[in-house]
Amino acid sequence: DTEVTQTPKHLVMGMTNKKSLKCEQHMGHRAMYWYKQKAKKPPELMFVYSYEKLSINESVPSRFSPECPNSSLLNLHLHALQPEDSALYLCASSQTGVGNQPQHFGDGTRLSIL
Amino acid sequence: AQSVTQLDSHVSVSEGTPVLLRCNYSSSYSPSLFWYVQHPNKGLQLLLKYTSAATLVKGINGFEAEFKKSETSFHLTKPSAHMSDAAEYFCVVSDLGGSQGNLIFGKGTKLSVKP
Repeated sequence: DTEVTQTPKHLVMGMTNKKSLKCEQHMGHRAMYWYKQKAKKPPELMFVYSYEKLSINESVPSRFSPECPNSSLLNLHLHALQPEDSALYLCASSQTGVGNQPQHFGDGTRLSIL
Repeated sequence: AQSVTQLDSHVSVSEGTPVLLRCNYSSSYSPSLFWYVQHPNKGLQLLLKYTSAATLVKGINGFEAEFKKSETSFHLTKPSAHMSDAAEYFCVVSDLGGSQGNLIFGKGTKLSVKP
């Protein structure tokens, strides 16, 4: 069992739909991350939240909109996605976000865009 | 700038034989280094981390890695492979005290274990 919980595990949506991915951790971590992972590739960083504030946005298209309602929750709102956005979306957390801290990953949401 | 190179994209071993997954890094500062494992349809699980303490780092499930500064290497080893070790392994580097989210992933090594 992972300490970072992501829902849903699978999501299929059309290009005009609006959906949200959710991530929750109860380890008291103050940094949370969204990654995108394509098949047979390493994860690519999308966003970083530190103390509930967005600190890094890796030039992600605006059709992806992150939200951090509190220190335990992280959402990723999706709208008007493209087929190339189909991927595994991973959430992670770390104690405070300093680079030498390990990140703890959830099992991801497998997203398919029709 | 920091970078990490995993020297093998695929390694195949027989069950019960040793495992060696190779990783070289480049970093301007004292690096923090990690090995993560990813089983199919799962997230990444931390195997072990090096953060400037002992150069030989022991991790979970019998894995260990040795930090060699002179060779800029951080190879992952296990004395005896188990079928459950079959997975994708990522070597990751981060600058000590670096900016948030500054994890640099290698391209991954797929480990296959034959019965």
